[in-house]
Amino acid sequence: AQSVTQLGSHVSVSEGALVLLRCNYSSSVPPYLFWYVQYPNQGLQLLLKYTTGATLVKGINGFEAEFKKSETSFHLTKPSAHMSDAAEYFCAVSAQRSNDYKLSFGAGTTVTVRA
Amino acid sequence: SQTIHQWPATLVQPVGSPLSLECTVEGTSNPNLYWYRQAAGRGLQLLFYSVGIGQISSEVPQNLSASRPQDRQFILSSKKLLLSDSGFYLCAWSVNRGWEQYFGPGTRLTVT
Repeated sequence: AQSVTQLGSHVSVSEGALVLLRCNYSSSVPPYLFWYVQYPNQGLQLLLKYTTGATLVKGINGFEAEFKKSETSFHLTKPSAHMSDAAEYFCAVSAQRSNDYKLSFGAGTTVTVRA
Repeated sequence: SQTIHQWPATLVQPVGSPLSLECTVEGTSNPNLYWYRQAAGRGLQLLFYSVGIGQISSEVPQNLSASRPQDRQFILSSKKLLLSDSGFYLCAWSVNRGWEQYFGPGTRLTVT
């Protein structure tokens, strides 16, 4: 079975500062990894995904994440925070070549951006 | 392009009343479909998923049920709502197992 742990349920950053959200995964087989963003009272929106190939993945809204197999991590970063980045972020994992139809989601990290 | 619809957007129902939430997907065939619930402060909980018409897998035993009467239609139901059923209900779809899921706008359910 796969699982993810998001370190820190709340992160506060200043506008213009680096955004770093941490995600560690557990999987016995090569994983697929995802980051989603959720704005208040909206559904989840896919930010980026890692399947195979390049370990540095670029997504929408200036976000990127790096798959590090040795550290079992998939941290999300954005060089310069904008007020519109205030939202909840979810990391998710599934297994490649699996019969499982489900994604395992982390508990989420709420990002607050200070002016 | 594919789109996913959920309705209603908000719903206030008394305890003991029935429930029917609908989700439809456009622009794709034979999607995998999912129902999730977000209760306050409790993250995402997978309730049901379906890989085809009439095929429903239940993840959490409770007073909710799901049905898939058509390829791109997924319905969440209850005969008698409980206070604990309050939450934000999300429908999602995916093309292949293990791949990314795409979420609908959600339904906010308040049971009073």
